[in-house]
Amino acid sequence: AQSVSQHNHHVILSEAASLELGCNYSYGGTVNLFWYVQYPGQHLQLLLKYFSGDPLVKGIKGFEAEFIKSKFSFNLRKPSVQWSDTAEYFCAVLGANYGQNFVFGPGTRLSVLP
Amino acid sequence: DAGITQSPRYKITETGRQVTLMCHQTWSHSYMFWYRQDLGHGLRLIYYSAAADITDKGEVSDGYVVSRSKTENFPLTLESATRSQTSVYFCASRGTVSYNEQFFGPGTRLTVL
Repeated sequence: AQSVSQHNHHVILSEAASLELGCNYSYGGTVNLFWYVQYPGQHLQLLLKYFSGDPLVKGIKGFEAEFIKSKFSFNLRKPSVQWSDTAEYFCAVLGANYGQNFVFGPGTRLSVLP
Repeated sequence: DAGITQSPRYKITETGRQVTLMCHQTWSHSYMFWYRQDLGHGLRLIYYSAAADITDKGEVSDGYVVSRSKTENFPLTLESATRSQTSVYFCASRGTVSYNEQFFGPGTRLTVL
């Protein structure tokens, strides 16, 4: 079965630290890639998405992600995190082998200390 | 207001009871989805629907039933609730173009006693 893995279960950072959250997927064909964020007690919201073109994608709130096809990766980055970035982050993949359904990673919980 | 709504937002029920969670979207999206979110499991797909009257099972469909008589509504029914179905349930919808984002509802927190 196709799968999405996220490297870290829980990441703890201080404000202003740099962030990189790993995401790898198992499918080698054409994929569309997404990062969603879930703030405490809220629903999932789209941070950014990649479907073609420039592999470096910029999203909302200063987040960016880089698609590296050879590594099947789509890591999320932010140069300087804020306390308000405390949330759970989900990587998701949509590809031909996944049917019409997103496959979500298990999520990474980010805690930013003030 | 346009968007995707779920009701109820919170529900407490007892083992063996039937429970229906409602989902409504105003975008006329073709695809609709039900997920459950549990600690340590992330989001798991329960059922999805590609259009009205077309539904299909997801990863964890046992004990759940869906229907989609109208494009905008996608109710999820727990036929006989069990404690293992205590979870947060999210409905989502998406248009037909593959790179369209999937929009999520606010969730329903269900507790089965």
